[in-house]
Amino acid sequence: SQQGEEDPQALSIQEGENATMNCSYKTSINNLQWYRQNSGRGLVHLILIRSNEREKHSGRLRVTLDTSKKSSSLLITASRAADTASYFCAPADRGSTLGRLYFGRGTQLTVWP
Amino acid sequence: EPEVTQTPSHQVTQMGQEVILRCVPISNHLYFYWYRQILGQKVEFLVSFYNNEISEKSEIFDDQFSVERPDGSNFTLKIRSTKLEDSAMYFCASRRGLAGTTTDTQYFGPGTRLTVL
Repeated sequence: SQQGEEDPQALSIQEGENATMNCSYKTSINNLQWYRQNSGRGLVHLILIRSNEREKHSGRLRVTLDTSKKSSSLLITASRAADTASYFCAPADRGSTLGRLYFGRGTQLTVWP
Repeated sequence: EPEVTQTPSHQVTQMGQEVILRCVPISNHLYFYWYRQILGQKVEFLVSFYNNEISEKSEIFDDQFSVERPDGSNFTLKIRSTKLEDSAMYFCASRRGLAGTTTDTQYFGPGTRLTVL
């Protein structure tokens, strides 16, 4: 299946440091979306990057996409304790117009004050 | 900012009972989805719905599950006879569906936590 696989599984950093999370996927995509989930809560959309884009910024977030390597990365700069959450990438298959998203196990980010 | 809403936030039911989970997608969106997340596990796709019919469903979405858009605003997931293993967080999602592509954002609701006793 086309699920994204996040790496590392867990990341622990101090406030102010940068956090980088990686995602790999298997087949061609239309886009790839990153979501955040606080413990026991809903999925919050962070950013969408289309297959013809290589980099995208939103506030303290920077996402890159390398379709030749079938990988993406999410960088959170100047992290805060409030960034503590699980982060998921969700690739959307190129072969589908229906938009089904496939989620991996996520990266659990802990930011210590 | 428009958002997807879900009710109830928590539903407790007895095994074998029917439950209906309700969602109100963003008003101008055309594609609707249900996902679930068993505690400690991945978010899993259940079903997608477009143009008043199911467009795709996963192997999880068996005959015990059904979806409906009874009016112009609500989107429901029904589980006819709940099992213990149906206990999970259920998320509704919607997207605009620009020009029939998937190049647009899928927005999720806050979820309904279903507990089957």
